[in-house]
Amino acid sequence: EPEVTQTPSHQVTQMGQEVILRCVPISNHLYFYWYRQILGQKVEFLVSFYNNEISEKSEIFDDQFSVERPDGSNFTLKIRSTKLEDSAMYFCASSDLKGNQPQHFGDGTRLSIL
Amino acid sequence: LAKTTQPISMDSYEGQEVNITCSHNNIATNDYITWYQQFPSQGPRFIIQGYKTKVTNEVASLFIPADRKSSTLSLPRVSLSDTAVYYCLVGDHHGGATNKLIFGTGTLLAVQP
Repeated sequence: EPEVTQTPSHQVTQMGQEVILRCVPISNHLYFYWYRQILGQKVEFLVSFYNNEISEKSEIFDDQFSVERPDGSNFTLKIRSTKLEDSAMYFCASSDLKGNQPQHFGDGTRLSIL
Repeated sequence: LAKTTQPISMDSYEGQEVNITCSHNNIATNDYITWYQQFPSQGPRFIIQGYKTKVTNEVASLFIPADRKSSTLSLPRVSLSDTAVYYCLVGDHHGGATNKLIFGTGTLLAVQP
């Protein structure tokens, strides 16, 4: 079964540094998402992306965050200047149709900010 | 998006059937009900989705009464590997202005030997 893959599985970064989290969505999917989950808390929506532009973003997704689909396969989340509170699991997801078609999640990148 | 309410945790034993009920009193006409499963340090996994009555697949059944204000996820004969957090989500089938998923705290199912 096709799956969403994320790299790296664990990223350790100094506060203030830039970090790029990478995702390869399922190949025929059109909609892409990033979520995060702080340890012990809920999964939170960050941003959705379709047709090479952001469809929706949450309050968490401030100017420090950006997303890009640099080629036909990768989907990246960049945090420009990391803060301690950015430490979390970051999940990428993709879906083939908007709405209730299920979203398929990767197994996440654990981001640790020191 | 409709708010959902589900138990924080449930305990079960191997081989038992587990039913997890979710309340969604404000569900809208176009909303579907979707359940996800999450193991520690993994992303949520789609289990099942339905609109009304009963839906069954190879891993679970979903029961939705006529008023659609609640739904019940049924896991037959659970095993230790079914220990996970189960999330009930409600959303517009057509997406409309948004297709983001809003997760609650979910139900932590602990299956014991």
